[in-house]
Amino acid sequence: ETGVTQTPRHLVMGMTNKKSLKCEQHLGHNAMYWYKQSAKKPLELMFVYNFKEQTENNSVPSRFSPECPNSSHLFLHLHTLQPEDSALYLCASSSRASGESMTDTQYFGPGTRLTVL
Amino acid sequence: AQSVSQHNHHVILSEAASLELGCNYSYGGTVNLFWYVQYPGQHLQLLLKYFSGDPLVKGIKGFEAEFIKSKFSFNLRKPSVQWSDTAEYFCAVTKGNTPLVFGKGTRLSVIA
Repeated sequence: ETGVTQTPRHLVMGMTNKKSLKCEQHLGHNAMYWYKQSAKKPLELMFVYNFKEQTENNSVPSRFSPECPNSSHLFLHLHTLQPEDSALYLCASSSRASGESMTDTQYFGPGTRLTVL
Repeated sequence: AQSVSQHNHHVILSEAASLELGCNYSYGGTVNLFWYVQYPGQHLQLLLKYFSGDPLVKGIKGFEAEFIKSKFSFNLRKPSVQWSDTAEYFCAVTKGNTPLVFGKGTRLSVIA
């Protein structure tokens, strides 16, 4: 148990569906991250939130919409996805504070395995 | 763009063999380096990290890594692997305030 939980663990959705992924961290961290892990590709950073403010959007298509209502919760809203969006979506958190370098360790959740039909 | 290279996609070793996984990065200047491990069915977790000081870093489970600045490398080593070391290993690098950049990962299979 890492202190970072993700739900659901598996999700199958059609291209016209709307769904949301949820991440919760119990570590008292103030930074949260969404990553995409596809087969045979490096882990790709999607979004970074620091103190609930989005600080990174790594050219992610608008069909992915993040939401961070507080420092403990992070959502990824999905709509009109494509089959190539099928992947493992990982959430992470760290204690990074605004302006500090990224030397802090990121703690990862177990991921949501997403399949888009 | 900055990149992290892990040249070995899949490594197969017998138990008790020595391990070395390569990691090279393209950043100049001061960097922070990490190795993460993902055991089958489990989440990514930190193995070790280097920020400054002694370039030989010791991590959990008998792993170590050596930062060689002149070679832009941060190779992971273990003198004697066990079956339980079967996992995927990811090297990651950050510089200053930039996000972590991960390598593609190396899958290690340890056979009895």
